[in-house]
Amino acid sequence: GDSVTQMEGPVTLSEEAFLTINCTYTATGYPSLFWYVQYPGEGLQLLLKATKADDKGSNKGFEATYRKETTSFHLEKGSVQVSDSAVYFCALSDFGGSQGNLIFGKGTKLSVKP
Amino acid sequence: EAQVTQNPRYLITVTGKKLTVTCSQNMNHEYMSWYRQDPGLGLRQIYYSMNVEVTDKGDVPEGYKVSRKEKRNFPLILESPSPNQTSLYFCASSLQQGVGNIQYFGAGTRLSVL
Repeated sequence: GDSVTQMEGPVTLSEEAFLTINCTYTATGYPSLFWYVQYPGEGLQLLLKATKADDKGSNKGFEATYRKETTSFHLEKGSVQVSDSAVYFCALSDFGGSQGNLIFGKGTKLSVKP
Repeated sequence: EAQVTQNPRYLITVTGKKLTVTCSQNMNHEYMSWYRQDPGLGLRQIYYSMNVEVTDKGDVPEGYKVSRKEKRNFPLILESPSPNQTSLYFCASSLQQGVGNIQYFGAGTRLSVL
């Protein structure tokens, strides 16, 4: 079945450091890919998404490119801020394997120190 | 304001005492879903609903019930809670079930079953 694997956390960075959170997926069809973010004490909210190969999603300085050849959707940000401290979830939806439902990775907790 | 509202936010109960967690959305969304979030396991889908009176099991439905009598409401029912249902629960909704559709999440309900 479909699945998402993302790097284990926690990740601790200093402010203005470069961030990469790796995400790879397995899917039977042609999935859409998402990054959701969960700030402390809140629900998840969409950070960015990409719906087809080579698409780049971007929002709030974060970027991720849909790489079909490597089945990856790595999240990057050039300069993190303390306010980026949160848990980040990679997810996919695919009519073939997930019937359009979201399948999540286990989440990566990011802590940014001033 | 467009939102998904869950109640209560926090709940402590005892084994076997029936409880209901309510979820309501004001976006006229057709699709609604319940997830549970556990450390190291990420988010797992409990039940989902594609429209009024249409519900289906997710990955971890045992011990839960749902109903969808109205489009805006999707309550989660635990008929006889057990300690292994201690978790953080999220309700989500989207315009439709489908690849690429963004899901909007409630703030979460933290449940402790003693």
